[in-house]
Amino acid sequence: GNSVTQMEGPVTLSEEAFLTINCTYTATGYPSLFWYVQYPGEGLQLLLKATKADDKGSNKGFEATYRKETTSFHLEKGSVQVSDSAVYFCALMDTGRRALTFGSGTRLQVQP
Amino acid sequence: GAGVSQSPSNKVTEKGKDVELRCDPISGHTALYWYRQSLGQGLEFLIYFQGNSAPDKSGLPSDRFSAERTGGSVSTLTIQRTQQEDSAVYLCASSPTGGESYEQYFGPGTRLTVT
Repeated sequence: GNSVTQMEGPVTLSEEAFLTINCTYTATGYPSLFWYVQYPGEGLQLLLKATKADDKGSNKGFEATYRKETTSFHLEKGSVQVSDSAVYFCALMDTGRRALTFGSGTRLQVQP
Repeated sequence: GAGVSQSPSNKVTEKGKDVELRCDPISGHTALYWYRQSLGQGLEFLIYFQGNSAPDKSGLPSDRFSAERTGGSVSTLTIQRTQQEDSAVYLCASSPTGGESYEQYFGPGTRLTVT
Protein backbone atom coordinates (compact mmCIF):
# COMPACT_ATOMS: atom_id res chain seq x y z
CA GLY A 1 0.00 0.00 0.00
CA ASN A 2 0.89 3.67 -0.13
CA SER A 3 2.93 5.25 2.61
CA VAL A 4 4.73 8.49 3.38
CA THR A 5 7.66 8.79 5.76
CA GLN A 6 8.87 12.13 7.04
CA MET A 7 11.47 13.11 9.56
CA GLU A 8 10.60 13.18 13.21
CA GLY A 9 10.22 16.49 14.93
CA PRO A 10 10.31 18.85 16.50
CA VAL A 11 12.77 20.75 14.36
CA THR A 12 14.02 23.85 16.16
CA LEU A 13 15.80 26.55 14.17
CA SER A 14 16.85 30.11 14.64
CA GLU A 15 15.34 32.79 12.44
CA GLU A 16 17.00 33.01 8.98
CA ALA A 17 18.33 29.45 9.19
CA PHE A 18 18.03 27.00 6.29
CA LEU A 19 15.27 24.43 6.56
CA THR A 20 15.05 20.92 5.18
CA ILE A 21 12.28 18.49 6.10
CA ASN A 22 12.80 15.10 4.53
CA CYS A 23 9.94 13.15 2.95
CA THR A 24 10.03 9.82 1.13
CA TYR A 25 7.14 7.83 -0.23
CA THR A 26 6.06 4.40 -1.40
CA ALA A 27 3.34 4.18 -4.02
CA THR A 28 2.28 2.31 -7.11
CA GLY A 29 2.10 4.27 -10.33
CA TYR A 30 2.83 7.97 -10.48
CA PRO A 31 1.37 9.82 -7.49
CA SER A 32 0.95 13.53 -7.05
CA LEU A 33 2.86 14.90 -4.07
CA PHE A 34 1.89 17.65 -1.63
CA TRP A 35 3.07 19.57 1.38
CA TYR A 36 0.34 20.77 3.74
CA VAL A 37 0.88 23.11 6.69
CA GLN A 38 -1.08 23.47 9.91
CA TYR A 39 -0.43 26.71 11.78
CA PRO A 40 -1.28 26.83 15.49
CA GLY A 41 -5.04 26.91 15.98
CA GLU A 42 -5.75 26.75 12.26
CA GLY A 43 -6.82 24.12 9.74
CA LEU A 44 -4.71 22.29 7.20
CA GLN A 45 -3.81 24.27 4.13
CA LEU A 46 -1.96 23.38 0.98
CA LEU A 47 1.57 24.77 0.86
CA LEU A 48 2.77 23.40 -2.47
CA LYS A 49 2.37 20.47 -4.85
CA ALA A 50 4.01 18.62 -7.73
CA THR A 51 2.18 16.28 -10.06
CA LYS A 52 4.97 14.59 -12.03
CA ALA A 53 8.62 13.67 -11.80
CA ASP A 54 11.11 16.56 -11.74
CA ASP A 55 8.36 19.12 -11.10
CA LYS A 56 9.23 21.72 -8.49
CA GLY A 57 6.48 23.08 -6.29
CA SER A 58 7.04 26.43 -4.63
CA ASN A 59 5.14 28.87 -2.43
CA LYS A 60 5.99 31.46 0.25
CA GLY A 61 9.71 30.77 -0.19
CA PHE A 62 9.30 27.03 0.30
CA GLU A 63 10.30 24.58 -2.43
CA ALA A 64 10.14 20.84 -3.01
CA THR A 65 11.19 18.81 -6.04
CA TYR A 66 9.51 15.53 -7.06
CA ARG A 67 12.38 13.02 -7.30
CA LYS A 68 11.12 9.75 -8.75
CA GLU A 69 14.53 8.06 -8.67
CA THR A 70 14.81 8.53 -4.90
CA THR A 71 11.03 8.57 -4.23
CA SER A 72 11.48 11.80 -2.30
CA PHE A 73 9.85 15.22 -1.96
CA HIS A 74 11.97 17.12 0.55
CA LEU A 75 10.76 20.52 1.71
CA GLU A 76 13.29 23.38 1.80
CA LYS A 77 13.36 27.05 2.65
CA GLY A 78 16.42 29.22 2.52
CA SER A 79 15.60 31.52 5.43
CA VAL A 80 12.88 30.65 7.93
CA GLN A 81 10.89 33.17 9.94
CA VAL A 82 9.18 32.88 13.30
CA SER A 83 5.86 32.92 11.43
CA ASP A 84 6.82 29.63 9.72
CA SER A 85 6.40 27.80 13.03
CA ALA A 86 3.80 25.13 12.29
CA VAL A 87 3.34 21.43 11.64
CA TYR A 88 4.21 20.34 8.11
CA PHE A 89 2.68 17.26 6.48
CA CYS A 90 3.94 15.51 3.37
CA ALA A 91 1.22 13.68 1.43
CA LEU A 92 0.57 11.77 -1.76
CA MET A 93 -2.43 11.02 -3.92
CA ASP A 94 -2.09 8.03 -6.21
CA THR A 95 -3.58 7.50 -9.62
CA GLY A 96 -6.26 5.12 -8.43
CA ARG A 97 -7.41 6.38 -5.06
CA ARG A 98 -8.45 9.99 -4.63
CA ALA A 99 -7.67 10.21 -0.95
CA LEU A 100 -4.52 11.74 0.46
CA THR A 101 -2.04 9.56 2.33
CA PHE A 102 -0.24 11.69 4.89
CA GLY A 103 3.06 11.42 6.69
CA SER A 104 3.13 11.75 10.45
CA GLY A 105 3.88 15.47 10.39
CA THR A 106 6.95 17.46 11.45
CA ARG A 107 6.66 20.28 13.95
CA LEU A 108 8.87 23.26 13.14
CA GLN A 109 9.71 25.78 15.83
CA VAL A 110 11.55 28.93 14.75
CA GLN A 111 13.12 31.01 17.49
CA PRO A 112 13.84 34.74 17.14
CA GLY B 1 -15.96 33.15 -0.33
CA ALA B 2 -16.88 30.82 2.49
CA GLY B 3 -14.62 27.90 3.18
CA VAL B 4 -15.45 24.42 4.40
CA SER B 5 -17.37 24.57 7.66
CA GLN B 6 -17.86 21.86 10.23
CA SER B 7 -20.08 21.52 13.25
CA PRO B 8 -19.87 21.17 16.12
CA SER B 9 -16.34 22.41 16.71
CA ASN B 10 -16.11 20.32 19.87
CA LYS B 11 -18.11 17.33 21.01
CA VAL B 12 -17.82 15.43 24.27
CA THR B 13 -19.81 12.22 24.49
CA GLU B 14 -20.06 9.21 26.72
CA LYS B 15 -18.82 5.84 25.60
CA GLY B 16 -21.59 3.93 23.86
CA LYS B 17 -23.49 6.97 22.58
CA ASP B 18 -23.97 7.82 18.92
CA VAL B 19 -22.64 11.07 17.44
CA GLU B 20 -23.22 12.96 14.20
CA LEU B 21 -20.67 15.32 12.72
CA ARG B 22 -21.60 17.74 9.97
CA CYS B 23 -19.64 19.14 7.04
CA ASP B 24 -20.65 21.94 4.67
CA PRO B 25 -18.29 21.92 1.68
CA ILE B 26 -17.41 24.87 -0.49
CA SER B 27 -20.29 25.60 -2.84
CA GLY B 28 -19.84 23.91 -6.20
CA HIS B 29 -17.24 21.42 -5.03
CA THR B 30 -18.16 17.96 -6.23
CA ALA B 31 -15.69 15.95 -4.17
CA LEU B 32 -15.89 15.62 -0.39
CA TYR B 33 -13.54 13.76 1.96
CA TRP B 34 -13.53 12.82 5.62
CA TYR B 35 -10.27 12.27 7.51
CA ARG B 36 -9.42 11.94 11.17
CA GLN B 37 -6.39 13.16 13.03
CA SER B 38 -5.39 11.37 16.19
CA LEU B 39 -2.24 11.23 18.28
CA GLY B 40 -1.69 7.56 17.74
CA GLN B 41 -2.59 7.22 14.07
CA GLY B 42 -1.81 10.61 12.52
CA LEU B 43 -4.00 11.75 9.63
CA GLU B 44 -6.13 8.95 8.17
CA PHE B 45 -8.53 8.88 5.26
CA LEU B 46 -12.03 7.71 6.11
CA ILE B 47 -14.40 8.15 3.15
CA TYR B 48 -14.66 9.99 -0.18
CA PHE B 49 -17.71 11.19 -2.14
CA GLN B 50 -17.52 12.24 -5.78
CA GLY B 51 -20.70 13.62 -7.29
CA ASN B 52 -23.42 10.97 -7.49
CA SER B 53 -21.01 8.03 -7.59
CA ALA B 54 -20.92 5.40 -4.89
CA PRO B 55 -18.62 6.59 -2.10
CA ASP B 56 -15.18 5.12 -1.47
CA LYS B 57 -15.58 3.76 2.07
CA SER B 58 -12.27 1.94 2.15
CA GLY B 59 -10.87 3.98 5.04
CA LEU B 60 -13.71 3.50 7.52
CA PRO B 61 -12.23 1.67 10.53
CA SER B 62 -15.32 -0.31 11.49
CA ASP B 63 -19.01 -0.75 10.67
CA ARG B 64 -19.82 1.66 13.50
CA PHE B 65 -18.77 4.45 11.13
CA SER B 66 -20.99 5.62 8.29
CA ALA B 67 -21.43 8.76 6.24
CA GLU B 68 -23.89 10.19 3.82
CA ARG B 69 -23.98 13.16 1.53
CA THR B 70 -27.35 14.67 0.76
CA GLY B 71 -28.05 16.48 -2.49
CA GLY B 72 -24.39 16.43 -3.42
CA SER B 73 -23.61 19.01 -0.76
CA VAL B 74 -23.78 18.63 3.04
CA SER B 75 -22.30 15.49 4.55
CA THR B 76 -22.86 13.82 7.91
CA LEU B 77 -20.42 11.39 9.51
CA THR B 78 -22.11 9.14 12.07
CA ILE B 79 -20.29 7.11 14.69
CA GLN B 80 -22.44 4.59 16.53
CA ARG B 81 -21.68 3.19 19.97
CA THR B 82 -18.64 5.42 20.38
CA GLN B 83 -15.47 4.04 21.93
CA GLN B 84 -12.62 5.87 23.59
CA GLU B 85 -10.34 5.12 20.64
CA ASP B 86 -12.71 7.18 18.47
CA SER B 87 -11.46 10.33 20.21
CA ALA B 88 -9.80 12.43 17.52
CA VAL B 89 -10.21 15.51 15.37
CA TYR B 90 -12.45 14.73 12.40
CA LEU B 91 -11.60 16.76 9.33
CA CYS B 92 -13.69 17.35 6.25
CA ALA B 93 -12.27 18.54 2.93
CA SER B 94 -13.72 19.37 -0.45
CA SER B 95 -12.31 19.93 -3.91
CA PRO B 96 -13.69 21.09 -7.24
CA THR B 97 -13.25 17.59 -8.61
CA GLY B 98 -11.80 14.26 -7.57
CA GLY B 99 -8.74 14.60 -9.79
CA GLU B 100 -5.27 14.20 -8.40
CA SER B 101 -4.02 17.69 -9.06
CA TYR B 102 -6.90 19.53 -7.45
CA GLU B 103 -6.33 21.00 -4.03
CA GLN B 104 -8.36 19.71 -1.14
CA TYR B 105 -9.66 22.52 1.07
CA PHE B 106 -9.92 21.50 4.70
CA GLY B 107 -12.38 22.61 7.34
CA PRO B 108 -11.38 23.48 10.92
CA GLY B 109 -12.37 20.04 12.20
CA THR B 110 -14.56 18.67 14.96
CA ARG B 111 -12.74 17.59 18.09
CA LEU B 112 -14.47 14.49 19.45
CA THR B 113 -13.77 13.35 22.99
CA VAL B 114 -15.28 10.07 24.18
CA THR B 115 -15.30 9.74 27.97
